[in-house]
Amino acid sequence: GAVVSQHPSWVICKSGTSVKIECRSLDFQATTMFWYRQFPKQSLMLMATSNEGSKATYEQGVEKDKFLINHASLTLSTLTVTSAHPEDSSFYICSARDSKGGIYEQYFGPGTRLTVT
Amino acid sequence: DAKTTQPPSMDCAEGRAANLPCNHSTISGNEYVYWYRQIHSQGPQYIIHGLKNNETNEMASLIITEDRKSSTLILPHATLRDTAVYYCIVRVYNAGNNRKLIWGLGTSLAVNP
Repeated sequence: GAVVSQHPSWVICKSGTSVKIECRSLDFQATTMFWYRQFPKQSLMLMATSNEGSKATYEQGVEKDKFLINHASLTLSTLTVTSAHPEDSSFYICSARDSKGGIYEQYFGPGTRLTVT
Repeated sequence: DAKTTQPPSMDCAEGRAANLPCNHSTISGNEYVYWYRQIHSQGPQYIIHGLKNNETNEMASLIITEDRKSSTLILPHATLRDTAVYYCIVRVYNAGNNRKLIWGLGTSLAVNP
């Protein structure tokens, strides 16, 4: 079945530094990828939608200069949290949509736990 | 804003059927209902989806009311490994005609031995 991987699975960084999270579709091509954020005991919140080769579309209230998204190929999207602060600590999850379609709306990665100290 | 409402938690005995309700009274005609589940600190897992007709797969059954204002996910024989948060989601189209999933708070299902 289709697999989406994320790297790293967890990261601890100091306040003010930047962190890059990778999302890869391992056995399918993903024209569209999504980035979500999830705080403890809360639901997933869509941050942005990225289409390969074009600028990401950010949801209302998400700072595009703080959360940089690059979707340079059909199998890789990256999220960079710039100048991270403790309030950015969260569980970041990516998902990918198979460009060939199929019944699955989105395949989800395992998530990346970010802790900013 | 989420277009679905679910009970925050439910319990089920192992081996029995788990019936998880969901209300989506404002759903539009072309919007699908999706169900995902999330085991603690993992990515969501697809379960099933539907538009108007009832659906069944190897994991679950989805019963959608005729007016489409509510649905029920049925896990026919719940096991301990089915303990998770279950999300009932409506797939919508945004202003750019792109599809996206609108997530609610989900139901935390505890399957007890």
